[in-house]
Amino acid sequence: KNQVEQSPQSLIILEGKNCTLQCNYTVSPFSNLRWYKQDTGRGPVSLTIMTFSENTKSNGRYTATLDADTKQSSLHITASQLSDSASYICVVTVILISGTYKYIFGTGTRLKVLA
Amino acid sequence: EPEVTQTPSHQVTQMGQEVILRCVPISNHLYFYWYRQILGQKVEFLVSFYNNEISEKSEIFDDQFSVERPDGSNFTLKIRSTKLEDSAMYFCASILSPYEQYFGPGTRLTVT
Repeated sequence: KNQVEQSPQSLIILEGKNCTLQCNYTVSPFSNLRWYKQDTGRGPVSLTIMTFSENTKSNGRYTATLDADTKQSSLHITASQLSDSASYICVVTVILISGTYKYIFGTGTRLKVLA
Repeated sequence: EPEVTQTPSHQVTQMGQEVILRCVPISNHLYFYWYRQILGQKVEFLVSFYNNEISEKSEIFDDQFSVERPDGSNFTLKIRSTKLEDSAMYFCASILSPYEQYFGPGTRLTVT
């Protein structure tokens, strides 16, 4: 069964600190993996996207890693800011036999950054 | 930067009523999706739409739901007879390729 699991479920850190969020998936056939940031009551916004051949991708203070062998990904946030408080969602794309795409969403990690 | 838009931002309806949620995808995108997110829960896939027909739907997308692209620009989700448990945020998304998925801001549906 295609599943995406994230940990921790929630995380509280102090402003300026770093943190790492984890994503494990059992999805096949794998196409790509994205990390999204979702502010409360808003739509998800893409942070990074990686195909199976990419090990790391950065977007400012966000760095995502992917290990396609172990089917794990992480999102590292450097020098956290109050505005980083949000849910972070790992989404894996599957290409279906029909040629269309299906997106498997993780449960998300709710991050709270405190001043 | 192009964006997906959704209307209304908030819809309140009584149980049993029909609602239509509207989305305007990015103009050159080919694949369209509806998702829902019940408060405090994860985003759930409802349906995907390509070439003017449903390409896949989840078990959530039962006979009460329908989608259409009536005029080549709008992409709508209709719920025929709303239930309390349909209360959620509904997100539309569009893509040109699997590497470029854009979400709309969502419609908050409240069924009373």
